[in-house]
Amino acid sequence: GENVEQHPSTLSVQEGDSAVIKCTYSDSASNYFPWYKQELGKGPQLIIDIRSNVGEKKDQRIAVTLNKTAKHFSLHITETQPEDSAVYFCAALHPWGQNFVFGPGTRLSVLP
Amino acid sequence: EAQVTQNPRYLITVTGKKLTVTCSQNMNHEYMSWYRQDPGLGLRQIYYSMNVEVTDKGDVPEGYKVSRKEKRNFPLILESPSPNQTSLYFCASSLSGTGVEKLFFGSGTQLSVL
Repeated sequence: GENVEQHPSTLSVQEGDSAVIKCTYSDSASNYFPWYKQELGKGPQLIIDIRSNVGEKKDQRIAVTLNKTAKHFSLHITETQPEDSAVYFCAALHPWGQNFVFGPGTRLSVLP
Repeated sequence: EAQVTQNPRYLITVTGKKLTVTCSQNMNHEYMSWYRQDPGLGLRQIYYSMNVEVTDKGDVPEGYKVSRKEKRNFPLILESPSPNQTSLYFCASSLSGTGVEKLFFGSGTQLSVL
Protein backbone atom coordinates (compact mmCIF):
# COMPACT_ATOMS: atom_id res chain seq x y z
CA GLY A 1 0.00 0.00 0.00
CA GLU A 2 0.86 3.65 -0.11
CA ASN A 3 3.41 5.07 2.32
CA VAL A 4 4.01 8.79 2.81
CA GLU A 5 7.11 10.19 4.47
CA GLN A 6 7.40 13.81 5.56
CA HIS A 7 10.38 15.94 6.54
CA PRO A 8 11.30 17.70 8.68
CA SER A 9 9.26 16.74 11.72
CA THR A 10 9.85 20.16 13.27
CA LEU A 11 10.80 23.44 11.62
CA SER A 12 11.49 26.83 13.15
CA VAL A 13 11.85 29.93 11.00
CA GLN A 14 12.04 33.65 11.61
CA GLU A 15 9.02 35.71 10.69
CA GLY A 16 9.31 36.77 7.08
CA ASP A 17 11.51 33.85 6.05
CA SER A 18 10.39 30.99 3.83
CA ALA A 19 9.51 27.47 4.98
CA VAL A 20 9.67 24.29 2.94
CA ILE A 21 8.20 20.92 3.91
CA LYS A 22 8.84 17.86 1.78
CA CYS A 23 6.92 14.63 1.32
CA THR A 24 7.65 11.47 -0.59
CA TYR A 25 5.16 8.79 -1.57
CA SER A 26 5.63 5.21 -2.62
CA ASP A 27 2.74 4.38 -4.97
CA SER A 28 3.31 5.85 -8.42
CA ALA A 29 -0.44 5.48 -9.13
CA SER A 30 -1.37 8.08 -6.48
CA ASN A 31 -2.76 11.12 -8.23
CA TYR A 32 -3.95 13.65 -5.66
CA PHE A 33 -1.82 15.36 -3.03
CA PRO A 34 -3.44 17.70 -0.50
CA TRP A 35 -1.85 19.65 2.33
CA TYR A 36 -3.67 20.19 5.61
CA LYS A 37 -2.94 22.67 8.38
CA GLN A 38 -3.82 21.80 11.96
CA GLU A 39 -3.91 24.59 14.50
CA LEU A 40 -3.80 23.84 18.20
CA GLY A 41 -7.03 22.26 19.43
CA LYS A 42 -8.60 22.11 15.98
CA GLY A 43 -9.10 19.63 13.21
CA PRO A 44 -6.96 19.73 10.06
CA GLN A 45 -8.02 22.15 7.31
CA LEU A 46 -7.15 21.92 3.65
CA ILE A 47 -4.83 24.73 2.56
CA ILE A 48 -3.77 23.66 -0.91
CA ASP A 49 -3.80 20.60 -3.11
CA ILE A 50 -2.33 19.43 -6.38
CA ARG A 51 -3.27 16.79 -8.90
CA SER A 52 -0.81 14.59 -10.72
CA ASN A 53 -1.27 16.33 -14.07
CA VAL A 54 0.05 19.61 -12.64
CA GLY A 55 3.62 20.42 -11.59
CA GLU A 56 3.02 23.48 -9.44
CA LYS A 57 0.17 25.39 -7.87
CA LYS A 58 0.21 28.69 -5.99
CA ASP A 59 -2.22 30.44 -3.72
CA GLN A 60 -0.91 33.74 -2.40
CA ARG A 61 1.94 32.92 -0.01
CA ILE A 62 1.71 29.16 -0.31
CA ALA A 63 2.68 26.90 -3.18
CA VAL A 64 2.97 23.20 -3.80
CA THR A 65 5.28 21.50 -6.28
CA LEU A 66 5.06 17.93 -7.51
CA ASN A 67 7.78 15.78 -9.06
CA LYS A 68 6.07 12.62 -10.27
CA THR A 69 9.28 11.02 -11.46
CA ALA A 70 10.90 11.31 -8.06
CA LYS A 71 7.56 10.77 -6.28
CA HIS A 72 7.85 13.75 -4.04
CA PHE A 73 5.93 16.95 -3.44
CA SER A 74 6.69 20.00 -1.36
CA LEU A 75 4.88 22.81 0.42
CA HIS A 76 6.43 26.24 0.21
CA ILE A 77 5.35 29.10 2.47
CA THR A 78 6.85 32.52 1.76
CA GLU A 79 6.90 35.58 4.01
CA THR A 80 5.96 33.48 7.01
CA GLN A 81 3.82 35.01 9.74
CA PRO A 82 3.21 33.92 13.35
CA GLU A 83 -0.25 32.66 12.36
CA ASP A 84 1.43 30.14 10.06
CA SER A 85 2.60 28.29 13.19
CA ALA A 86 0.80 24.94 13.15
CA VAL A 87 1.22 21.28 12.29
CA TYR A 88 1.16 20.58 8.56
CA PHE A 89 0.21 17.23 7.06
CA CYS A 90 0.73 16.06 3.52
CA ALA A 91 -1.34 13.23 2.06
CA ALA A 92 -1.59 11.06 -1.03
CA LEU A 93 -4.59 9.41 -2.60
CA HIS A 94 -4.64 6.39 -4.86
CA PRO A 95 -7.11 6.79 -7.75
CA TRP A 96 -9.06 3.65 -6.86
CA GLY A 97 -9.13 4.15 -3.16
CA GLN A 98 -11.04 6.23 -0.70
CA ASN A 99 -8.18 6.23 1.75
CA PHE A 100 -5.99 9.28 2.09
CA VAL A 101 -2.59 8.24 3.44
CA PHE A 102 -1.17 11.02 5.57
CA GLY A 103 2.40 11.86 6.40
CA PRO A 104 3.42 12.05 10.08
CA GLY A 105 3.24 15.84 10.17
CA THR A 106 5.58 18.82 10.51
CA ARG A 107 5.35 21.23 13.40
CA LEU A 108 6.17 24.69 12.05
CA SER A 109 7.04 27.47 14.46
CA VAL A 110 7.35 31.02 13.15
CA LEU A 111 9.37 33.11 15.57
CA PRO A 112 8.55 36.84 15.79
CA GLU B 1 -22.57 27.04 9.41
CA ALA B 2 -21.19 24.02 7.55
CA GLN B 3 -19.44 21.81 10.02
CA VAL B 4 -18.56 18.38 11.33
CA THR B 5 -19.46 18.01 15.00
CA GLN B 6 -17.87 15.45 17.27
CA ASN B 7 -18.77 14.70 20.85
CA PRO B 8 -17.37 14.54 23.40
CA ARG B 9 -14.19 16.64 23.04
CA TYR B 10 -12.51 14.84 25.92
CA LEU B 11 -13.20 11.39 27.30
CA ILE B 12 -11.51 9.41 30.05
CA THR B 13 -12.61 5.84 30.52
CA VAL B 14 -11.40 2.52 31.86
CA THR B 15 -10.41 -0.62 30.04
CA GLY B 16 -13.37 -2.64 28.83
CA LYS B 17 -16.09 -0.05 29.27
CA LYS B 18 -17.97 0.38 26.00
CA LEU B 19 -18.08 3.89 24.61
CA THR B 20 -19.38 5.75 21.59
CA VAL B 21 -18.00 8.89 20.00
CA THR B 22 -20.60 10.68 17.92
CA CYS B 23 -20.03 12.47 14.64
CA SER B 24 -22.54 14.51 12.70
CA GLN B 25 -22.23 16.65 9.56
CA ASN B 26 -24.71 19.19 8.20
CA MET B 27 -23.38 19.42 4.63
CA ASN B 28 -25.29 16.48 3.12
CA HIS B 29 -21.98 14.75 2.46
CA GLU B 30 -22.05 11.15 1.30
CA TYR B 31 -18.57 10.23 2.50
CA MET B 32 -17.59 10.07 6.16
CA SER B 33 -14.49 8.70 7.82
CA TRP B 34 -12.76 8.24 11.16
CA TYR B 35 -9.06 8.83 11.80
CA ARG B 36 -6.84 8.50 14.80
CA GLN B 37 -3.86 10.78 15.32
CA ASP B 38 -0.83 9.62 17.25
CA PRO B 39 2.50 11.43 17.69
CA GLY B 40 4.89 10.64 14.86
CA LEU B 41 2.31 8.59 12.97
CA GLY B 42 0.09 11.25 11.47
CA LEU B 43 -3.53 10.51 10.73
CA ARG B 44 -4.49 6.89 10.17
CA GLN B 45 -7.87 5.89 8.82
CA ILE B 46 -9.99 3.59 10.98
CA TYR B 47 -13.20 3.17 8.98
CA TYR B 48 -14.97 5.00 6.21
CA SER B 49 -18.42 5.10 4.69
CA MET B 50 -19.26 5.94 1.10
CA ASN B 51 -22.99 6.27 1.83
CA VAL B 52 -25.78 5.14 4.13
CA GLU B 53 -25.44 1.49 5.15
CA VAL B 54 -22.07 1.24 3.36
CA THR B 55 -18.97 1.03 5.56
CA ASP B 56 -15.48 -0.34 5.03
CA LYS B 57 -12.27 -0.83 6.94
CA GLY B 58 -9.41 1.60 6.77
CA ASP B 59 -5.83 0.94 7.83
CA VAL B 60 -6.35 0.40 11.57
CA PRO B 61 -9.89 -1.00 12.14
CA GLU B 62 -9.13 -3.51 14.91
CA GLY B 63 -11.08 -2.80 18.10
CA TYR B 64 -13.50 -0.35 16.48
CA LYS B 65 -16.98 -0.50 15.00
CA VAL B 66 -18.99 2.03 13.05
CA SER B 67 -22.49 2.36 11.71
CA ARG B 68 -24.10 4.59 9.08
CA LYS B 69 -27.85 4.42 9.52
CA GLU B 70 -28.38 8.04 8.57
CA LYS B 71 -26.49 10.17 6.10
CA ARG B 72 -25.50 12.82 8.63
CA ASN B 73 -24.29 10.56 11.47
CA PHE B 74 -21.31 8.24 11.71
CA PRO B 75 -20.65 7.10 15.28
CA LEU B 76 -17.43 5.35 16.31
CA ILE B 77 -17.92 2.53 18.79
CA LEU B 78 -15.29 0.98 21.03
CA GLU B 79 -16.85 -2.18 22.41
CA SER B 80 -14.02 -2.97 24.84
CA PRO B 81 -11.52 -0.12 24.91
CA SER B 82 -7.89 -0.84 25.71
CA PRO B 83 -5.04 1.53 26.66
CA ASN B 84 -3.55 1.32 23.15
CA GLN B 85 -6.67 3.07 21.88
CA THR B 86 -5.71 6.19 23.80
CA SER B 87 -5.46 8.71 21.00
CA LEU B 88 -6.87 11.84 19.36
CA TYR B 89 -9.75 10.93 17.08
CA PHE B 90 -11.08 12.89 14.13
CA CYS B 91 -14.21 12.47 12.09
CA ALA B 92 -14.16 13.80 8.53
CA SER B 93 -16.57 14.10 5.65
CA SER B 94 -16.50 14.99 1.98
CA LEU B 95 -19.09 15.46 -0.71
CA SER B 96 -19.02 12.14 -2.52
CA GLY B 97 -15.87 10.27 -1.55
CA THR B 98 -14.74 9.76 -5.11
CA GLY B 99 -11.33 10.81 -3.98
CA VAL B 100 -10.23 14.14 -5.25
CA GLU B 101 -12.16 16.20 -2.79
CA LYS B 102 -11.65 18.34 0.25
CA LEU B 103 -12.04 16.60 3.57
CA PHE B 104 -13.83 18.53 6.31
CA PHE B 105 -12.64 17.54 9.77
CA GLY B 106 -14.28 17.81 13.15
CA SER B 107 -12.49 19.37 16.13
CA GLY B 108 -11.37 16.05 17.54
CA THR B 109 -12.01 13.81 20.54
CA GLN B 110 -9.16 13.17 22.95
CA LEU B 111 -9.68 9.71 24.40
CA SER B 112 -7.76 8.31 27.35
CA VAL B 113 -8.25 4.66 28.30
CA LEU B 114 -6.90 3.81 31.74
